[in-house]
Amino acid sequence: AQSVTQLGSHVSVSEGALVLLRCNYSSSVPPYLFWYVQYPNQGLQLLLKYTSAATLVKGINGFEAEFKKSETSFHLTKPSAHMSDAAEYFCAVSSTGANNLFFGTGTRLTVIP
Amino acid sequence: DTAVSQTPKYLVTQMGNDKSIKCEQNLGHDTMYWYKQDSKKFLKIMFSYNNKELIINETVPNRFSPKSPDKAHLNLHINSLELGDSAVYFCASSPAGDTEAFFGQGTRLTVV
Repeated sequence: AQSVTQLGSHVSVSEGALVLLRCNYSSSVPPYLFWYVQYPNQGLQLLLKYTSAATLVKGINGFEAEFKKSETSFHLTKPSAHMSDAAEYFCAVSSTGANNLFFGTGTRLTVIP
Repeated sequence: DTAVSQTPKYLVTQMGNDKSIKCEQNLGHDTMYWYKQDSKKFLKIMFSYNNKELIINETVPNRFSPKSPDKAHLNLHINSLELGDSAVYFCASSPAGDTEAFFGQGTRLTVV
């Protein structure tokens, strides 16, 4: 079985500051891991995904995440927050790919000017 | 040129009614899904269709029934709507063997 825990339902950062959104997963098999972003009143957009290739994954909009098997983590980072990054971020895990995604409960990112 | 489109975007209806949400994808993907996002933003898969065959049903009440007239469409029919059905419903699709799911804009269903 797979599951995801996102620590912190709300995260606030100042514009230009580091963004760090935490995600820990549980999986009995090597996982596929994803970060999705949801802007207000919009659908989910894929930021990046880990599929057993490089452990440091670069995504869109300057985001990246590092897969750490020993810590069962897949934290999302961005060096410098922009106002447009304010959104809800979801971490997801799957053992087989897109056909069986398990989502975390989301982290709302607020960027303070 | 929307990839995954859902209609309607908003739906307000009374308890006991029957309603449908339509979904279409123009990506040529083999698999389509319906997800439910509750008031706490928790997302959970409801159904998955691959080449018109249901392959996942996550213990969803049988008042919910997916209908796929062809590979590009997966509609969601809901009978006898209940207050607890209020949520945002997302349609998604993915190509065969791929790990990425493409989501629609969501349909916010409110049952009053």
